[in-house]
Amino acid sequence: NAGVMQNPRHLVRRRGQEARLRCSPMKGHSHVYWYRQLPEEGLKFMVYLQKENIIDESGMPKERFSAEFPKEGPSILRIQQVVRGDSAAYFCASSPLGTGLSYEQYFGPGTRLTVT
Amino acid sequence: TQLLEQSPQFLSIQEGENLTVYCNSSSVFSSLQWYRQEPGEGPVLLVTVVTGGEVKKLKRLTFQFGDARKDSSLHITAAQPGDTGLYLCAGEGTDKLIFGTGTRLQVFP
Repeated sequence: NAGVMQNPRHLVRRRGQEARLRCSPMKGHSHVYWYRQLPEEGLKFMVYLQKENIIDESGMPKERFSAEFPKEGPSILRIQQVVRGDSAAYFCASSPLGTGLSYEQYFGPGTRLTVT
Repeated sequence: TQLLEQSPQFLSIQEGENLTVYCNSSSVFSSLQWYRQEPGEGPVLLVTVVTGGEVKKLKRLTFQFGDARKDSSLHITAAQPGDTGLYLCAGEGTDKLIFGTGTRLQVFP
């Protein structure tokens, strides 16, 4: 059973370009979470999605960031007009359970975004 | 706002020593997880604790959830170089995990 897949593993973008990060959850998981991590820090929640629905986007910046989890295909985190401060590791996690239950999230290997 | 503070932030020890990492909050969590993260990789789940006062053992690692479910500790006995990594606690929030600030452990042979 394959784990959570993320691609690309490394992404370099110049200021002003767009970044697209992809996440395929574990088989049978329908809940996807995106987190951002700066060096030597813990992970910060960005957004929680189920298939075709955004459940909680309270951690996502209002400007330039968007996320989707379509009926078919991977979840996408999109960052428009990237700035140097967007440089970070972005992790996706999936779980079979959701709100109100004791759940465990399984993380992908992350995408390291570098903005030059 | 729910926050989780971990201490110490950094820990460098010799192989064979024992250590304890703490995870503290003023908020109550319905469950708490511990993860280990190695450089360039995602966090890997070690354990979930759910009941106040619960103790779980994973080989040389012992995890405890505080009685009030506001804090947790991770104790490693006879640390080995393979234990090196970033240890993260995470509390179950609404629709998300609230991660601690992390403890970077380095075990020297």
